[in-house]
Amino acid sequence: EAHLVQSGAEMKDPGESLKIACKASEDSFNNYWIGWVRQKPGKGLEWMGIIYPGDSDTRYSPSFEGQVTISVDTAISTAYVEWHSLRASDSAKYYCTRHGDYGEDSWGQGTLVTVSS
Amino acid sequence: DIQLTQSPSFLSASVGDRVTITCRASQGIGHYLAWYQQQPEKAPKLLIYAASTLQSGVPSRFSGSGSGTEFTLTIKSLRPEDAASYYCQQVDNYPWTFGQGTKVAIK
Repeated sequence: EAHLVQSGAEMKDPGESLKIACKASEDSFNNYWIGWVRQKPGKGLEWMGIIYPGDSDTRYSPSFEGQVTISVDTAISTAYVEWHSLRASDSAKYYCTRHGDYGEDSWGQGTLVTVSS
Repeated sequence: DIQLTQSPSFLSASVGDRVTITCRASQGIGHYLAWYQQQPEKAPKLLIYAASTLQSGVPSRFSGSGSGTEFTLTIKSLRPEDAASYYCQQVDNYPWTFGQGTKVAIK
């Protein structure tokens, strides 16, 4: 089972850019889809999108397409999600996941993003 | 997008009770459904995948069933540590989607 370690909490102003990271501690990073999930305070889970590190094939939820960019750096087994212009409504905890057999079998600890002026 | 509707949204039960949560899909998804448990202030944890396969390390009191549009998660004998929110997720068609969640409390 992969161990996913995410970057630390962030506090940003509206309009700023941000890139958060998810590092996998396994040699088979290239062979599993890595996903991102948003959870707003007190709310449920929202699927954002997923990337296959082997070829960078990326799928987005329509709710997030154009709002975020998901990418990977295979040399350091790290996946990212990036915003170019944050909004207050982006404040949430973001989880990265590893997609195993028909489910997300590993989760990072979450990165809390707070956007406020 | 495929919509997943969980019921109930909240339930309160006693230790030892049998608990059932239902997840209904807006269209058929075969057996491409997973269940997660999220304890307070923790990351979610995979319980069941492919509708009925227990993830390694998950206690056998948890079970899943169903196919097509209707699925259930059952906790055979509720324990205090099962107080959590539970979510279903479909991985049949992009965009993958989650149900809205069911919060389970212990009486």
